[in-house]
Amino acid sequence: GNSVTQMEGPVTLSEEAFLTINCTYTATGYPSLFWYVQYPGEGLQLLLKATKADDKGSNKGFEATYRKETTSFHLEKGSVQVSDSAVYFCALDPNFGNEKLTFGTGTRLTIIP
Amino acid sequence: EADIYQTPRYLVIGTGKKITLECSQTMGHDKMYWYQQDPGMELHLIHYSYGVNSTEKGDLSSESTVSRIRTEHFPLTLESARPSHTSQYLCASSSSEGGRTEQFFGPGTRLTVL
Repeated sequence: GNSVTQMEGPVTLSEEAFLTINCTYTATGYPSLFWYVQYPGEGLQLLLKATKADDKGSNKGFEATYRKETTSFHLEKGSVQVSDSAVYFCALDPNFGNEKLTFGTGTRLTIIP
Repeated sequence: EADIYQTPRYLVIGTGKKITLECSQTMGHDKMYWYQQDPGMELHLIHYSYGVNSTEKGDLSSESTVSRIRTEHFPLTLESARPSHTSQYLCASSSSEGGRTEQFFGPGTRLTVL
């Protein structure tokens, strides 16, 4: 079956530090990959996505590259801000029939000034 | 503006009460979902619908029920609330058209059952 394994949290960084949140997946075929962000008290928002191998998704200074050879989709940001404090979810869409999104367990990120 | 709405945002209720959590979307999406989010943040799919009069149970067993009589509306009902139902409930929708598969989420309803 499909699965997403996400870096265990919580993660605490100082402002302007470099961020990496690891995400690896298991799926057959050619899934699409997503990063969602959940700010306190809100629902999830799509942060970025990639639909095929070697695609790079980017938004708000965050980037992730779809690596089929390592089945990974790691989230990175060069210089984090306090406003980036949130929970981040990696997700997979198998792109097969009516199969549903598979989410990782979420990583809580806290940025301290 | 196209969006997805959930009401109420917060609900505190006593054991045994019947409640309905509302979810509506104005994006014209055919697919809708309900997730339960535990305090550890993990999301569990409890119900989904691929169109009017179509509802399915998700990966996590739930005592709640859903209905899809209109495309834009996907309410979730608990006939008799219990403390174990205390959780955050998130509604989402997506379209099966145009190759876009991402889900759009509402703001959530935080339910507390005393």
